[in-house]
Amino acid sequence: EAQVTQNPRYLITVTGKKLTVTCSQNMNHEYMSWYRQDPGLGLRQIYYSMNVEVTDKGDVPEGYKVSRKEKRNFPLILESPSPNQTSLYFCASKAGRSFAGELFFGEGSRLTVL
Amino acid sequence: GDSVTQMEGPVTLSEEAFLTINCTYTATGYPSLFWYVQYPGEGLQLLLKATKADDKGSNKGFEATYRKETTSFHLEKGSVQVSDSAVYFCALSGQAGTALIFGKGTTLSVSS
Repeated sequence: EAQVTQNPRYLITVTGKKLTVTCSQNMNHEYMSWYRQDPGLGLRQIYYSMNVEVTDKGDVPEGYKVSRKEKRNFPLILESPSPNQTSLYFCASKAGRSFAGELFFGEGSRLTVL
Repeated sequence: GDSVTQMEGPVTLSEEAFLTINCTYTATGYPSLFWYVQYPGEGLQLLLKATKADDKGSNKGFEATYRKETTSFHLEKGSVQVSDSAVYFCALSGQAGTALIFGKGTTLSVSS
């Protein structure tokens, strides 16, 4: 089954404790991206990757890091989480460079930073 | 920059009512337009799309027409069901070609 898998789905952590949210897709997609969803703000892009070893900042990259060492994986790293990073995070992927195609989303990772 | 504005929710309807969710956009060039749906506890799924002016996207009884003259892409359904209760996002392909630009989402609640 074609899918984007994120882990963990739910996480409660404390300020400053490094964490990684993993994302993996099995569709051989070149493009992957991370979004965060907050009430009243919709979805905002954090980082994206057009292909292996190519990453770039989205609209709200502060406090986050990513890497793309393999085509299928695109982990999101919070080196020192803060309460304002409490949010619902989505990983997404799509084939090719054109944005006329469908963006496939994972089920989301709800992160709470105390 | 590119942006999407959609009507504030929540929208509350009775089953079999007519649905319209308004969406307007600001963009340079000729973006593709999308509606995504998010059911409770799930990720977003593509509902329909249109890639050029006057195109009509349709799926599961939902329709939306790409209107360049009014920069709109309103979502409509003739008869909603309880199972349509979800959050609906209008989106466009940004000019930079690196992201979808999403509206803030509209929550639809349908009661029987």
